[in-house]
Amino acid sequence: AQSVTQLDSHVSVSEGTPVLLRCNYSSSYSPSLFWYVQHPNKGLQLLLKYTSAATLVKGINGFEAEFKKSETSFHLTKPSAHMSDAAEYFCVVSDGYGGATNKLIFGTGTLLAVQP
Amino acid sequence: GAVVSQHPSWVICKSGTSVKIECRSLDFQATTMFWYRQFPKQSLMLMATSNEGSKATYEQGVEKDKFLINHASLTLSTLTVTSAHPEDSSFYICSAPAVLLMNTEAFFGQGTRLTVV
Repeated sequence: AQSVTQLDSHVSVSEGTPVLLRCNYSSSYSPSLFWYVQHPNKGLQLLLKYTSAATLVKGINGFEAEFKKSETSFHLTKPSAHMSDAAEYFCVVSDGYGGATNKLIFGTGTLLAVQP
Repeated sequence: GAVVSQHPSWVICKSGTSVKIECRSLDFQATTMFWYRQFPKQSLMLMATSNEGSKATYEQGVEKDKFLINHASLTLSTLTVTSAHPEDSSFYICSAPAVLLMNTEAFFGQGTRLTVV
């Protein structure tokens, strides 16, 4: 079965400093992996996705993630945090070969706080 | 991109009543929609997969008679929480896969915050 583990429930950074949100996955086959962001009382927005193409994936708002099969990781990074980045971030794996056509399995989320 | 509209965004209801939540794909057809639930300080958990023209598939532990799903058209799926109780208070969100720039992506509604009093 597919699963993801987000290693930090809370991360706090200062504005302008780098962001690292960690995610490890477990999958019996080559997975489709996603990062979503959820702002308070809002729906989910896709930041980026990995679907077996380039291992370094660039997303919106300056975020990127690197798929590392040897480490079963898909960590999310951003060089410089902005106040508007404060939100909850979910690492997600697709349960099946069809990518987003299959049900999505969410990690427990990482709440990112950005200090001025 | 594709838009999924969910209504209402929030609802308060009395214990024992039923609440209907709508999920619409505005500019694409969705043969499949997914319904998720998110309890406070927890992650999203899939409740059921809604299939147009056929019965929904429920995840283990989700009562199909309590959470009625109807997907009668290619653009609309509804979730009805029947005989709601305070423990059903949660954030419910739907998603539908759509092809965007030759890639399939899951698009989410805005979510519905249900409070049962």
